[in-house]
Amino acid sequence: RKEVEQDPGPFNVPEGATVAFNCTYSNSASQSFFWYRQDCRKEPKLLMSVYSSGNEDGRFTAQLNRASQYISLLIRDSKLSDSATYLCVVPPSGGSYIPTFGRGTSLIVHP
Amino acid sequence: DGGITQSPKYLFRKEGQNVTLSCEQNLNHDAMYWYRQDPGQGLRLIYYSQIVNDFQKGDIAEGYSVSREKKESFPLTVTSAQKNPTAFYLCASSIFGQGNTEAFFGQGTRLTVV
Repeated sequence: RKEVEQDPGPFNVPEGATVAFNCTYSNSASQSFFWYRQDCRKEPKLLMSVYSSGNEDGRFTAQLNRASQYISLLIRDSKLSDSATYLCVVPPSGGSYIPTFGRGTSLIVHP
Repeated sequence: DGGITQSPKYLFRKEGQNVTLSCEQNLNHDAMYWYRQDPGQGLRLIYYSQIVNDFQKGDIAEGYSVSREKKESFPLTVTSAQKNPTAFYLCASSIFGQGNTEAFFGQGTRLTVV
């Protein structure tokens, strides 16, 4: 099983829709997780951290499901500007702390 | 302002030529990383360094070399041994420690073989 797996999409949704992505991970000992946003031909930028209690920031909610070993990102009331690739990051197995990225999920919000 | 800077933004390499990508950070981070991203793909780790004068190979180190002589700097050399170097290269840094892997990225260097 890969360290981090994401559905590459694309997820094609209309403005105002609610959309959710999942990211599965293999390291059951992982403690902290992150969601990054990457715009086309740009560098990834931190969107949200995900801790055991989850995290909410405006229209964005990140949650952790330890039992099933996945994290989720929920976007409510989608905007055109939300169109991007969303990457999840988990610590890999083996005790190292090197950020390991999923391949990303592409979101396209259309009018 | 603190940050991480990569240069150049665009780089063209001839066949058989070595090129060096610059990465500088003033965030006082111990750990620095180099990733490669191909179109429609995720980030793959090339090399990383957790402390000055020490670095480790990542998943795709063949054809690349690095140095870490200063905390602030982690240059990447793409050698002629790298057969398919055209890609988007991203440098990142983070505080090194348990459970903290938030990474800050430079703006990237887009390398093209001509």
